Amino acid sequence: DAGITQSPRHKVTETGTPVTLRCHQTENHRYMYWYRQDPGHGLRLIHYSYGVKDTDKGEVSDGYSVSRSKTEDFLLTLESATSSQTSVYFCAISDLQVLAGGHEQETQYFGPGTRLLVL
Amino acid sequence: GDSVTQMEGPVTLSEEAFLTINCTYTATGYPSLFWYVQYPGEGLQLLLKATKADDKGSNKGFEATYRKETTSFHLEKGSVQVSDSAVYFCALSVLSGGYQKVTFGTGTKLQVIP
Repeated sequence: DAGITQSPRHKVTETGTPVTLRCHQTENHRYMYWYRQDPGHGLRLIHYSYGVKDTDKGEVSDGYSVSRSKTEDFLLTLESATSSQTSVYFCAISDLQVLAGGHEQETQYFGPGTRLLVL
Repeated sequence: GDSVTQMEGPVTLSEEAFLTINCTYTATGYPSLFWYVQYPGEGLQLLLKATKADDKGSNKGFEATYRKETTSFHLEKGSVQVSDSAVYFCALSVLSGGYQKVTFGTGTKLQVIP
């Protein structure tokens, strides 16, 4: 298994409070991602990072911010949690591989997830 | 945009039955294709992958073939076990805006009964 941990694994919070989720990797991979998983939607990308201090928005980034001050850590912050942010959050890591013929390919590896309940 | 369509579940099979979970995709560019499996309370685990047309990915008795002509990547297993009960996600990956964008299907739940 890829060395990815997430903390906390479970969190209950109240509407309007700030929440920070942490993703930690020991693989020294360049790319890190935050997804949320909701019934009927599969996984949707929130934010991603392509290096230290280099981040960008995904498809559902509103209400979320991220930071990456070290290669191994990628933090997801909900500035003011809302009930619509109740979800399971997954971190993923990857590195690009260049295959024979110059084709680039990436495989993402996932952490165990954080269950967040916003009351 | 890119999309992945999976058959809706749940799929219920008896032990030792043959499994097929259909997956079709639309993508701009030349995607890599993946199947991930998620057991209850856990994260997604890579099951198998294929990077070019006619490639066959295989792992733990599961296999899928990258069919460019039908834009499909169906997952098959000859004889399922109770321990295969999980949710299976089909996904594609394409280079988009400087990073590899991964698009997931909504998942298919498989339940195998003894």
